[in-house]
Amino acid sequence: EDQVTQSPEALRLQEGESSSLNCSYTVSGLRGLFWYRQDPGKGPEFLFTLYSAGEEKEKERLKATLTKKESFLHITAPKPEDSATYLCAVPPGRSGNTPLVFGKGTRLSVIA
Amino acid sequence: NAGVTQTPKFQVLKTGQSMTLQCAQDMNHNSMYWYRQDPGMGLRLIYYSASEGTTDKGEVPNGYNVSRLNKREFSLRLESAAPSQTSVYFCASSEIGLAGWYEQYFGPGTRLTVT
Repeated sequence: EDQVTQSPEALRLQEGESSSLNCSYTVSGLRGLFWYRQDPGKGPEFLFTLYSAGEEKEKERLKATLTKKESFLHITAPKPEDSATYLCAVPPGRSGNTPLVFGKGTRLSVIA
Repeated sequence: NAGVTQTPKFQVLKTGQSMTLQCAQDMNHNSMYWYRQDPGMGLRLIYYSASEGTTDKGEVPNGYNVSRLNKREFSLRLESAAPSQTSVYFCASSEIGLAGWYEQYFGPGTRLTVT
């Protein structure tokens, strides 16, 4: 069964304290991995797509990396405005236009 | 370019009442989706439409029906609302990318309370 597991469930950081969020997956033949940010009361907002192991993408203080088993979202010197829930998702192992499998997310709080 | 829009933003229903949640996208995407999001449960897929004219059940379809009205619009209907359907509902759309990879774009959500 295709599964996506995110850890930790919640993370509290001081402003400027760098850390990483983890997304591990069990799908065969990975065809991409997606990261989203979700603010309270809003829909998920697309951040990155990673297609192959070794690939990295950056946006401001965020950098996403991908290995064959997991992805990391590194947050460098976070600010309070980075507080949000971060979701990752992968296409299921079977082919075709079937929906993404989402993890339950990591709730990040950055304290000033 | 509004992206994905949903109406209404908030709704309160009594048990047994019916309602339809509306969703529209202006990105010319072929695929559209309905999710519900509950605390601790993450996003759960209710129904999706891979292309105009097709619909398929997701993880939690019971108590819901959908209509893909045209390429732009995808509605979700609750025929007889139950308190267990209290949730936040998100619509999303996507296009197929290279080799089947695709990102989904989400609407702002509808917060539904059933009393």
